[in-house]
Amino acid sequence: AQKITQTQPGMFVQEKEAVTLDCTYDTSDQSYGLFWYKQPSSGEMIFLIYQGSYDEQNATEGRYSLNFQKARKSANLVISASQLGDSAMYFCAMSLHNNNDMRFGAGTRLTVKP
Amino acid sequence: DSGVTQTPKHLITATGQRVTLRCSPRSGDLSVYWYQQSLDQGLQFLIQYYNGEERAKGNILERFSAQQFPDLHSELNLSSLELGDSALYFCASSVWGAPNEGLFFGSGTQLSVL
Repeated sequence: AQKITQTQPGMFVQEKEAVTLDCTYDTSDQSYGLFWYKQPSSGEMIFLIYQGSYDEQNATEGRYSLNFQKARKSANLVISASQLGDSAMYFCAMSLHNNNDMRFGAGTRLTVKP
Repeated sequence: DSGVTQTPKHLITATGQRVTLRCSPRSGDLSVYWYQQSLDQGLQFLIQYYNGEERAKGNILERFSAQQFPDLHSELNLSSLELGDSALYFCASSVWGAPNEGLFFGSGTQLSVL
């Protein structure tokens, strides 16, 4: 099965600054999707951004962008202009073709400091 | 509101007992996924169904079983419960052919085994 690695258990960032959350993955499949989800303290899972393995451009969604480096098998999340409400757990995930078998990393807890 | 409904929201039971968690996917979604999240842990993939058939399987214990019914709702059965089974159990659904939308998560069932 595919493997997702998030090496940063916790990260701190100052309000209004940018932060990068790391994610690497491992798969032998050519068709796959990469995702980031946010889980605030309330517990719900919020979908942030998606990158397809064949997409040539990095995905962006508002203040979120995904730095996709296919050769290095990395899919880092960049949050620009951090806000206090960004404090949460962030999970990187990967699925095979058509959202099959979606696996999640261990997560990174982001704390935004005022 | 993601459109995915999980019941019950909370469940308290004793060791050795058996419980059933229920999930209704979003209207039109054919895929249903089950995940287990223990305290301060990532999401462990249990199992995925597509239109009634098992599509992918994770580290699901033999004491656990699941199925997806013709009306597409799914049930996760947990038997011979142990203290370590206490966790938040998420159900998610996705639409076939739109991987960029990711998974839509329910609000979870919090299981406490005493």
